[in-house]
Amino acid sequence: AQSVTQLGSHVSVSEGALVLLRCNYSSSVPPYLFWYVQYPNQGLQLLLKYTSAATLVKGINGFEAEFKKSETSFHLTKPSAHMSDAAEYFCAVSDRSSAGGSYIPTFGRGTSLIVHP
Amino acid sequence: DVKVTQSSRYLVKRTGEKVFLECVQDMDHENMFWYRQDPGLGLRLIYFSYDVKMKEKGDIPEGYSVSREKKERFSLILESASTNQTSMYLCASSLPFGTGVDGYTFGSGTRLTVV
Repeated sequence: AQSVTQLGSHVSVSEGALVLLRCNYSSSVPPYLFWYVQYPNQGLQLLLKYTSAATLVKGINGFEAEFKKSETSFHLTKPSAHMSDAAEYFCAVSDRSSAGGSYIPTFGRGTSLIVHP
Repeated sequence: DVKVTQSSRYLVKRTGEKVFLECVQDMDHENMFWYRQDPGLGLRLIYFSYDVKMKEKGDIPEGYSVSREKKERFSLILESASTNQTSMYLCASSLPFGTGVDGYTFGSGTRLTVV
């Protein structure tokens, strides 16, 4: 069974500061991992994904995430926050073995990123 | 640009009504999904479909049904709407499982209010 935990329902940063959104997962097999972003009144948009290639994954809008197997983590970072980064962020994990091999990801509960001027 | 289109952004229905939420994708994706999103609960899978006329229950199928008569269209049906079904509903599509992992493409969501 797979699960994902996002630490902190809200994260607040100043514009220009480092963004760190935490995601820990559990999976019985090597996972696929994803980060999605949701802007107000919109659907989710894929930011980046890990699929067992490079452990440091670069995504859109300057975000990146590092897969750390020993820590079962896939934290999302951005060196310098921008006001336009304010949104809800979701981590998701697929262990490729759930529900008879259905690959369906499990989503975290989301972290709301607040960016102060 | 690839798209998943949900027919309504906002919907208000009365308790007991039969409600249809429509989703259309133009990417020729085999898989389609319906989620509901509630504050503090994240996304919860209601139903998914991996082929025309095929459907599988997700984590919270009670009170819902689905229909997939054509590859590009996946409908969510609330047989008798109740106030606890007030939520944001998100449709998504993806490549077939096992042929690649590109994640999901989501629609913009339908915010349903049942009064």
